[in-house]
Amino acid sequence: DAGVIQSPRHEVTEMGQEVTLRCKPISGHNSLFWYRQTMMRGLELLIYFNNNVPIDDSGMPEDRFSAKMPNASFSTLKIQPSEPRDSAVYFCASSPTLLTSGIVSTGELFFGEGSRLTVL
Amino acid sequence: RKEVEQDPGPFNVPEGATVAFNCTYSNSASQSFFWYRQDCRKEPKLLMSVYSSGNEDGRFTAQLNRASQYISLLIRDSKLSDSATYLCVSPYSGAGSYQLTFGKGTKLSVIP
Repeated sequence: DAGVIQSPRHEVTEMGQEVTLRCKPISGHNSLFWYRQTMMRGLELLIYFNNNVPIDDSGMPEDRFSAKMPNASFSTLKIQPSEPRDSAVYFCASSPTLLTSGIVSTGELFFGEGSRLTVL
Repeated sequence: RKEVEQDPGPFNVPEGATVAFNCTYSNSASQSFFWYRQDCRKEPKLLMSVYSSGNEDGRFTAQLNRASQYISLLIRDSKLSDSATYLCVSPYSGAGSYQLTFGKGTKLSVIP
């Protein structure tokens, strides 16, 4: 079975350029998450979707970041304009469990292999 | 936002040793916790769930102490393949949102 698929795996770009990261969740999973990982801050949740609807985007750093999920099988995270401090590994993860308050979750997120972004 | 704190390590242990990591959490309302494992330059993967006082899976034992608000992971008979970063995860629920908060991880190196 295919896992979560992310692209690109690596991206090197210059400051000011637009970056688009893509994610295909596991078929049938109804929750999708975008995380960012750096040595200093660890894994930080940027935004998550449930049934294609953004539920919590409070982790999005600023207006330069935007995320969309036009359908159940595709999501994008866009950074425009990019800055050197955006350099990190961006992970997409999906979950088969409805993660809303009051419902016990299995806690299992299935992560993609990540997109390693370097902004020069 | 609720926090999860871990000792970053590294923990350098010989093969066959027993090693334990602790993780403290601040959200006293959390009912379940998780340990994820992340290999170098790889994605995190679920290792164990902890729903009550503890959980055991082979060489791995996870325990929960609600009074002191910490979770522990015990690895017995360490193998070289156990070398990885172990992430403690606590759910956070509030303001209509539910999410998993990850600790920064504890790095384990098992040496021959």
